[in-house]
Amino acid sequence: GNSVTQMEGPVTLSEEAFLTINCTYTATGYPSLFWYVQYPGEGLQLLLKATKADDKGSNKGFEATYRKETTSFHLEKGSVQVSDSAVYFCALSTGGEDKIIFGKGTRLHILP
Amino acid sequence: ETGVTQSPTHLIKTRGQQVTLRCSSQSGHNTVSWYQQALGQGPQFIFQYYREEENGRGNFPPRFSGLQFPNYSSELNVNALELDDSALYLCASSITTGSYEQYFGPGTRLTVT
Repeated sequence: GNSVTQMEGPVTLSEEAFLTINCTYTATGYPSLFWYVQYPGEGLQLLLKATKADDKGSNKGFEATYRKETTSFHLEKGSVQVSDSAVYFCALSTGGEDKIIFGKGTRLHILP
Repeated sequence: ETGVTQSPTHLIKTRGQQVTLRCSSQSGHNTVSWYQQALGQGPQFIFQYYREEENGRGNFPPRFSGLQFPNYSSELNVNALELDDSALYLCASSITTGSYEQYFGPGTRLTVT
């Protein structure tokens, strides 16, 4: 079945450091890929998305590229801020299903 | 534009009881999906409602049921609560079924004792 695997946290970085959170997926067909962010005490917010191979999603300085050959969608940011501290979820959805399948989440701590 | 809202924010129930959670979808959205997020886990799909009909269901037992109303708001009902039902329940709305963009509410935190 379809699934998402992302690196386990917590990930702790200093402010202005470079961030990578790895995500790989297993899916039949051609899924759309997402990164969601969950700030403390809040629901999920869509951070970025990509709907086909080689697409790059970007938002708020975060980027992720849909790599079909490696079935990956790694999240990157060049310079993190304390306000980026949150839990990040990689997710996918396929055309034949309406549900979103989430990874387990990666907690990110940014130290000032 | 009003986003997705959920009520109540927090809820404490006893094992064996029944609970109803409520969700108001974003304006213009006719599809509502429900997810269960256990502590430290990603959300798991429970079911989706489109135009008042169930439109897909995840791997949850029948004691999890739902409704969607003509104004597209929705309820999630859970009967015979178990300790493992303790979780954050998230509602998400989308402009239509098959839409990849789902907008999430803040969730209802359910604790079963």
